Amino acid sequence: DAEITQSPRHKITETGRQVTLACHQTWNHNNMFWYRQDLGHGLRLIHYSYGVQDTNKGEVSDGYSVSRSNTEDLPLTLESAASSQTSVYFCASSESGTGYYNEQFFGPGTRLTVL
Amino acid sequence: DAKTTQPPSMDCAEGRAANLPCNHSTISGNEYVYWYRQIHSQGPQYIIHGLKNNETNEMASLIITEDRKSSTLILPHATLRDTAVYYCIVWGGISNFGNEKLTFGTGTRLTIIP
Repeated sequence: DAEITQSPRHKITETGRQVTLACHQTWNHNNMFWYRQDLGHGLRLIHYSYGVQDTNKGEVSDGYSVSRSNTEDLPLTLESAASSQTSVYFCASSESGTGYYNEQFFGPGTRLTVL
Repeated sequence: DAKTTQPPSMDCAEGRAANLPCNHSTISGNEYVYWYRQIHSQGPQYIIHGLKNNETNEMASLIITEDRKSSTLILPHATLRDTAVYYCIVWGGISNFGNEKLTFGTGTRLTIIP
């Protein structure tokens, strides 16, 4: 069965370290998204991609970067981790280009703690 | 995409119908109403979507008013497993062709009471 996975599921790191969160999907979806979720804020979009070599900034992109070298993966990098980036991170993917149907499939999440 | 307004929380007795309202008074003619839910600590899950007609699937029903300014998600026989945060989202559909990002608000926290 197709799926979307995230790793690690839990990560503790120190301020200033570079951290990369992995997202892998086997749906063969062109669209991939990274969200963060904090209490009281719902899900906020960090970065997204509509295909290989395409990346776009979301509403809370500062301090994060992504790259898309293949269809299956969209790793999220925190260049210099800050305590404000302690959060739960969700990756999602969706089919593109239908114009009327937009179901995003979410991964299980990564809980990141920055000390 | 139009903004949505939902109550922050609701309770519903187990076995009863849960009716979750959503206001989207600025919705335009080609924008869809989508509903997702997020069960504690899991990723959100798609429930249903509609344009102007009422929709039903195995999970829920979606009732959209004739003027499309509001909608109601109905869980017909709520169980404890329906306890979750429910998100109402408006998405531009064909006018957003190739632009499939969604904006999640803070949703409604639905608690099913035994």
